Amino acid sequence: GENVEQHPSTLSVQEGDSAVIKCTYSDSASNYFPWYKQELGKRPQLIIDIRSNVGEKKDQRIAVTLNKTAKHFSLHITETQPEDSAVYFCAASIPYNAGNMLTFGGGTRLMVKP
Amino acid sequence: GAVVSQHPSRVICKSGTSVKIECRSLDFQATTMFWYRQFPKQSLMLMATSNEGSKATYEQGVEKDKFLINHASLTLSTLTVTSAHPEDSSFYICSARPHGRISYNEQFFGPGTRLTVL
Repeated sequence: GENVEQHPSTLSVQEGDSAVIKCTYSDSASNYFPWYKQELGKRPQLIIDIRSNVGEKKDQRIAVTLNKTAKHFSLHITETQPEDSAVYFCAASIPYNAGNMLTFGGGTRLMVKP
Repeated sequence: GAVVSQHPSRVICKSGTSVKIECRSLDFQATTMFWYRQFPKQSLMLMATSNEGSKATYEQGVEKDKFLINHASLTLSTLTVTSAHPEDSSFYICSARPHGRISYNEQFFGPGTRLTVL
């Protein structure tokens, strides 16, 4: 089955700096890669996603890059703000005939210091 | 759009009792619903995949007789934790995949249920 590794597990940055979180996946059949932000005790919130036919996607301060050959994808947050502090999860999903399951990375606790 | 609710949000029960958690898609029909468990400071671990009108598919290590899943309609799935024990205390989160969008893998998450077994 799919295995997703996420690094780092914790990340502390100064407000205004950039933050980068990296994930690798094992199954080359995976074609959908969402990123979630989870605040304590709350549901995961989708912040951005990318499909395997795209190499990069950007939404304001957030961007995701995908390298299919190397089987890794990254989340980039620019101009970080204290409200960006949360746990971020990457995930990978194999096409529907394999059940549409999401396999999550271990999570990254991002702390943005004011 | 794409709102998923869960009930209850929080439950405290005694060891040995059963607890039912409901997951509803409020503004869409969900062919598939997923149940996850999340222990403190850990990632979401998939417990089972629930398809409307058929038996759930459980992940390895998850006891189907302990975690009963029923997906009776396109908008409702339930998870019953039978004979709960303190080690079952966790944050249980469901997600739903919209019906008809089989080529897309988006899942919409419920707010989660915090289960505490005394």
